[in-house]
Amino acid sequence: EIVLTQSPGTLSLSPGERATLSCRASQIINSNYLAWFQQKPGQAPRLLIYGASSRATGIPDRFNGSGSGTDFTLTISRLEPEDFAVYYCQQCDTSPRTFGPGTKVDLK
Amino acid sequence: QVQLQESGPGLVKPSQTLSLTCTVSGGSISSGGYYWSWIRQHPGKGLEWIGFIYYTGSTYHNPSLKSRATISVDTSKNQFSLRLNSVTAADTAVYYCAREIFGSLPRIDYWGQGTLVTVSS
Repeated sequence: EIVLTQSPGTLSLSPGERATLSCRASQIINSNYLAWFQQKPGQAPRLLIYGASSRATGIPDRFNGSGSGTDFTLTISRLEPEDFAVYYCQQCDTSPRTFGPGTKVDLK
Repeated sequence: QVQLQESGPGLVKPSQTLSLTCTVSGGSISSGGYYWSWIRQHPGKGLEWIGFIYYTGSTYHNPSLKSRATISVDTSKNQFSLRLNSVTAADTAVYYCAREIFGSLPRIDYWGQGTLVTVSS
C-alpha cells in the first residue's frame, strides 16, 4: 500500500497570501495518478487537480499542482476567502487507493 | 451532469450488516470507462477508500477491512451497493459513493453528498 504523508498539518494564512502544500509518497508514483481534493465542512471532497498538474473543470488558475516521483505540491497563488478548507492528496497508481491525512488551511 | 446519491439506514446495531446503495443519474454505469467507488470518512478524520466495482462486476476491496466489505452492481437499476458486515462503533462514518475515471489520467470526478451511518445499540 502506498502511504501518503502531507505537510504541514495546518497552515494558517491570510487572504491574498500564497499557500504551499506538500504530499510525499512512500514509493514512486506515476505523476498521472496523483490528485488533489478540497473539502469544506459538511461537503463531499471536490476534485481540484489530477495527473499531478491538470486542473479539473471549473477550477481557478490560482490552483496549481506540480511534482513527480514521491514529492508533489499544491500551490494556491493568492488565497481567496472560499479557499480556507482541508486539502487531500490521493493516488490512483495502485490499489488500494490511498489518501493523505490532509492539510487544513485556516484563517490566520 | 452525473449525480450520485447514497441511500440506506443511518443507524446500524453492532455486529449487524451495514447496507448502502448508490443511485447514479445522468449517465449509465454500463457505459464503461469508470470504476464505481465507496469511500468513508470517520467523524473529524480523513478519507478511507473502501473499494470499487466495474460494471462487469469486477471488484477490488481494501484489505484493511479484512473481507468484511462487499461491493455489488445492479446495472438494470443503475445502482451499486456496499455491504459491510460485523460492524462495530469504529465503522461509524460518513460514507460516500464516487465515480473514478480510469485510463491514462485516472481521477475521482464525481462524489455523492455522503450519508452518515452510526453504529450503536
